Amino acid sequence: EAGVTQSPTHLIKTRGQQATLRCSPISGHTSVYWYQQALGLGLQFLLWYDEGEERNRGNFPPRFSGRQFPNYSSELNVNALELEDSALYLCASSYGGATNEKLFFGSGTQLSVL
Amino acid sequence: DQQVKQNSPSLSVQEGRISILNCDYTNSMFDYFLWYKKYPAEGPTFLISISSIKDKNEDGRFTVFLNKSAKHLSLHIVPSQPGDSAVYFCAASAYFSGGTSYGKLTFGQGTILTVHP
Repeated sequence: EAGVTQSPTHLIKTRGQQATLRCSPISGHTSVYWYQQALGLGLQFLLWYDEGEERNRGNFPPRFSGRQFPNYSSELNVNALELEDSALYLCASSYGGATNEKLFFGSGTQLSVL
Repeated sequence: DQQVKQNSPSLSVQEGRISILNCDYTNSMFDYFLWYKKYPAEGPTFLISISSIKDKNEDGRFTVFLNKSAKHLSLHIVPSQPGDSAVYFCAASAYFSGGTSYGKLTFGQGTILTVHP
């Protein structure tokens, strides 16, 4: 069974540009979560999508947005990139939105903003 | 405001000995706790979890202890093996209380465990 896949693995952008990160969940999983891991910090919750709807978002500015497609894959868009957006972005999936279920994480997209 | 804290950035133990990783939380709404392990260049993988109605949960070499009054949990690995060397994250959720925390895991900063042969 394929795990959570993320693309691209690495992404280099310049300040002010837009970045698009993609995630395919495990087959059968309907929930997708996005987390940011900046250097030296823990994982910070960004967004949760379930059945195509945004269910919750973390304390991030509106330039962080995303969507979930009918096949449950997801995109994370970061507009007007800033240097501090440089981080590892992790996507995770689960069968439902209950966080007493374990999340399955992808390997992440390393975003570098120059 | 760091609601979940892992105060030890790193821990070094000898193979065969016990590894104890600690985690403190401040939000009394948290009612479900998880530990994840992360190897370099990989995403975190689930290790073990515990509900707030329990104070201990075991899975093989891994045991998680929860002290609700102290808002403290710990992960014990016995015996430690070199393959356990990784970054360990504790995470908490307010699953039963829901609200704005529903669907959200709050992670600690992680502890780097190194097990020496």
